[in-house]
Amino acid sequence: DAKTTQPPSMDCAEGRAANLPCNHSTISGNEYVYWYRQIHSQGPQYIIHGLKNNETNEMASLIITEDRKSSTLILPHATLRDTAVYYCIVRVALITGNQFYFGTGTSLTVIP
Amino acid sequence: DGGITQSPKYLFRKEGQNVTLSCEQNLNHDAMYWYRQDPGQGLRLIYYSQIVNDFQKGDIAEGYSVSREKKESFPLTVTSAQKNPTAFYLCASSAGRDTQYFGPGTRLTVL
Repeated sequence: DAKTTQPPSMDCAEGRAANLPCNHSTISGNEYVYWYRQIHSQGPQYIIHGLKNNETNEMASLIITEDRKSSTLILPHATLRDTAVYYCIVRVALITGNQFYFGTGTSLTVIP
Repeated sequence: DGGITQSPKYLFRKEGQNVTLSCEQNLNHDAMYWYRQDPGQGLRLIYYSQIVNDFQKGDIAEGYSVSREKKESFPLTVTSAQKNPTAFYLCASSAGRDTQYFGPGTRLTVL
């Protein structure tokens, strides 16, 4: 059960903002939304995470809807190096530890 | 230079053999994780460990075994009981329930 739904692929022009949507309609009140990206044959790279407030760091912004059923990752000025698979993940906190459920992600291609 | 290391990067084994994948971290993280990734797919959790000498099965633990004798190390053994072991294996660590940080991965191919 991946818990999130993302479009399989997206294109974005270099220099423009890339907006990657994610649906997590079954998210619970204490579950965080995380975003990672993976360049081919490398380990996933952490981007950003949030619970209910919008978040921003040096890499991206995360916009979470008020009902928390969906979110959008924004890369403000996409570069060719941002071409990767982006995973939206719900972190489930269990007594035995937290678990991340990875879906198949969105393959983002930044076009020159 | 802090981080997570996995070795080797590429690993080949004959069918029926056990093989152990290494994962080491010097981030002083308590929790460590093993994931499996198949082509075009997301990551699936094999095993995780919150503290030394303790570990829990993930969603696809059958055919795998782990140990956690030291905080820094969490080796994964792929046994001959694993029916389809060819995959990309990723190790991660986290400080408690915080963000997970991943190693570079080991690509295992069964010949």
